[in-house]
Amino acid sequence: GAGVSQSPSNKVTEKGKDVELRCDPISGHTALYWYRQSLGQGLEFLIYFQGNSAPDKSGLPSDRFSAERTGGSVSTLTIQRTQQEDSAVYLCASSLLAGGNYEQFFGPGTRLTVL
Amino acid sequence: EDQVTQSPEALRLQEGESSSLNCSYTVSGLRGLFWYRQDPGKGPEFLFTLYSAGEEKEKERLKATLTKKESFLHITAPKPEDSATYLCAVQAGDSWGKLQFGAGTQVVVTP
Repeated sequence: GAGVSQSPSNKVTEKGKDVELRCDPISGHTALYWYRQSLGQGLEFLIYFQGNSAPDKSGLPSDRFSAERTGGSVSTLTIQRTQQEDSAVYLCASSLLAGGNYEQFFGPGTRLTVL
Repeated sequence: EDQVTQSPEALRLQEGESSSLNCSYTVSGLRGLFWYRQDPGKGPEFLFTLYSAGEEKEKERLKATLTKKESFLHITAPKPEDSATYLCAVQAGDSWGKLQFGAGTQVVVTP
């Protein structure tokens, strides 16, 4: 069956440019999450969507980061005016949140490198 | 402040040498504790969810247990393909929202 997919798998950009990262969750999953994983930092939460709304944006590190979800499905994470410290692997996960199924299933990630 | 601590940071095992990984947590209102496995260059792969103290779950050579303060992941007779980083995460509070992850235990199993 289809899992969570993310694109692009790799993105190299120059400092100051904007980037968009895409996540396609597992079909039917109502909840969608963004995390990032940096060397030495572990996995840190960024934002959580339930349907198209974001009840928890507490992990977004600055106002340069934003995310949206449309049609209760695809989500885009946008980073404006990228900085070198934004370099990390950005991971998306989705969850059914019904019938006792609360586990989050992760995609392969997008590796972002800011030069 | 909520905390999730995993130990050891790294573990090197001979094939067949059983061992345990520890995940200790300090959170308010635990909803669930999750174990994941992560291979290099890939996203975390879900292994287990534990919801209440005393609960145990098994899958092949892995067994996860939960108490009120910690969880253990037991690896019985490991094989080289069990080499990976094992991540523990907790979900707490009033929603099935964010997972808070520990730093992981990197396991290497040699033939």
